Amino acid sequence: EIVLTQSPATLSLSPGERATLSCRASQSVSSFLAWYQQKPGQAPRLLIYDASNRATDIPARFSGGGSGTDFTLTISSLEPEDFAVYYCQQRRNWPPYTFGQGTKLEIK
Amino acid sequence: EVQLLESGGGLIQPGGSLRLSCAASGFTFSSYAMSWVRQAPGKGLEWLSTISSSGNNTYYADSVKGRFTISRDNSKNTLYLQMNSLRVEDTAVYYCAKGTRKGGYLDYWGQGTLVTVSS
Repeated sequence: EIVLTQSPATLSLSPGERATLSCRASQSVSSFLAWYQQKPGQAPRLLIYDASNRATDIPARFSGGGSGTDFTLTISSLEPEDFAVYYCQQRRNWPPYTFGQGTKLEIK
Repeated sequence: EVQLLESGGGLIQPGGSLRLSCAASGFTFSSYAMSWVRQAPGKGLEWLSTISSSGNNTYYADSVKGRFTISRDNSKNTLYLQMNSLRVEDTAVYYCAKGTRKGGYLDYWGQGTLVTVSS
């Protein structure tokens, strides 16, 4: 089973700042990695798939990068609605699909 | 507009059974794999099961294999999760989710249904 480790666990930033979230895989997942955003009381929303492709209607301030075992999600300039929990997920080796434990992006 | 609406959650005693349903609309249900994912209170996301578009292939997490059964009725645009031998640790919000065209990612999610296993 591929283990995804996200860092940091919590990231405290202010609106307008740049956010960089990390996801590391225990073995190569090639580019088969997605990022999801989850706000309190809501279902997750797909942001990025195949490491760097934005999903439908996702703003351009969200970008993904990386391949192999190291990936990043970057939010270029934080909007108030971006403060949420972010999860990475791999589809390279499944079952099982695995998720990271999440990074909470909070307002500083 | 894609919509996924789960139902069937509730309070159940350990060892009991429950069947969740997920009514889908706004897309060609029979063309997409579907999955169940759960989230225990205050915890992260856990993939549970995926079923192929035809229903011929099913996949499970080890934590639920042999206890949960995923199925679908393409004539009713509905996904199911039969949960047997429920344990306290199965307490979670259960989401159904639509797979992407290429498969492997989940591009639309329902609002979730809460299952509480407690005596």
